[in-house]
Amino acid sequence: QSALTQPPSASGSPGQSVTISCTGTSSDVGGYNYVSWYQQHPGKAPKLMIYEVSKRPSGVPDRFSGSKSGNTASLTVSGLQAEDEADYYCCSYAGNYIDVFGTGTKVTVL
Amino acid sequence: EVQLVESGGGLVQPGGSLRLSCEASGFTFSSSWMHWVRQAPGKGLVWVSRIRSDGTYTAYADSVKGRFTISRDNAKDTVFLQMNSLRGEDTAMYYCAKEGSSLDYWGQGTLVTVSS
Repeated sequence: QSALTQPPSASGSPGQSVTISCTGTSSDVGGYNYVSWYQQHPGKAPKLMIYEVSKRPSGVPDRFSGSKSGNTASLTVSGLQAEDEADYYCCSYAGNYIDVFGTGTKVTVL
Repeated sequence: EVQLVESGGGLVQPGGSLRLSCEASGFTFSSSWMHWVRQAPGKGLVWVSRIRSDGTYTAYADSVKGRFTISRDNAKDTVFLQMNSLRGEDTAMYYCAKEGSSLDYWGQGTLVTVSS
């Protein structure tokens, strides 16, 4: 149950796009279409942004999109806004009813 | 409105025990799988455990297997996490989360500190 690998940080100017990667193995990210992404502001609970690789919950702006290729999933935030500055975590099902989170990425809006 | 309210956290000595509770409202609790996720201070999210809607199946992260037990009382819309043999590395904010479209609702967390 090793954590999925994410870059520690990413940044972009307002209006630009930023993409965060989430690398696992064929036993987790690559093996299932159950990758989700969570946004967490300081001192707050995580919030679901993307589920099942690319689906958006009601209320999440369409600026947020998800994809997957092989063992790597990605979250793209387009048209960056100040309120997008937060920590982002990926999560994947890993079989046997086990889930595994990524190491987390801090997104900074310059 | 979905609400999840955790309680039971606090300061405990290494080797001690603590029981966390998470009271749910605003959805059909008895139809939902529930999870616990923790976050050590300044660190990332770590999945801890899940329990089936009827309580008949549970799963745990290797780091807590054999020490933690998840359970639920559907009559009281509450999920529990019994934590035994606590270690310093168990110090964290503990969140409960509802499984719908992935972990679609989270509580605000309860802080557990393991220290002598």
